[in-house]
Amino acid sequence: GENVEQHPSTLSVQEGDSAVIKCTYSDSASNYFPWYKQELGKRPQLIIDIRSDVGEKKDQRIAVTLNKTAKHFSLHITETQPEDSAVYFCAAVRGGSYIPTFGRGTSLIVHP
Amino acid sequence: GAVVSQHPSRVICKSGTSVKIECRSLDFQATTMFWYRQFPKQSLMLMATSNEGSKATYEQGVEKDKFLINHASLTLSTLTVTSAHPEDSSFYICSARGSAQETQYFGPGTRLLVL
Repeated sequence: GENVEQHPSTLSVQEGDSAVIKCTYSDSASNYFPWYKQELGKRPQLIIDIRSDVGEKKDQRIAVTLNKTAKHFSLHITETQPEDSAVYFCAAVRGGSYIPTFGRGTSLIVHP
Repeated sequence: GAVVSQHPSRVICKSGTSVKIECRSLDFQATTMFWYRQFPKQSLMLMATSNEGSKATYEQGVEKDKFLINHASLTLSTLTVTSAHPEDSSFYICSARGSAQETQYFGPGTRLLVL
């Protein structure tokens, strides 16, 4: 089955800095990669996603890149703000299955 | 759009009782609903996948007689934790996806505490 590795487990940055979270996956049949943000005690919320036919996608301060050959994808947050502090999960979805395999999560702490 | 509700948000019960959690898609028809369990500071653990009108598919290690899932309509799925014990205490989250959609939308979660 699919295996998703996510690094780092904890990331601490100063407000205004950039943050990068990296994930690797094992199943070459995975073709959809969503990223979720989960604040303490709340639901995971989709913040950005990318499909395998695209190499990069950007939405304001958030961007995701995908390297299909290397089987890795990354989340980039620029100009971080304290409200970006949360746990971020990457996931990989095998084509046709609709079942995601989640990474272990990255706790992002943005210091004011 | 794509709003998923979950009820109750918190429940405290005595050991041995059963607890039912409801998951509803409010503004779309949920072809598939997923049930997850999440321990503190850990990732989401998929328990089962249910399609409307079909029996749920349980992940390895999840007892189907312990965690009863019903997906009777395109907008409602229920998870019943039968004969709950303290080790069942956890954060349970549902998610739903519409037809031909890859994206899942999560409910707000239910925090279960079994005394």
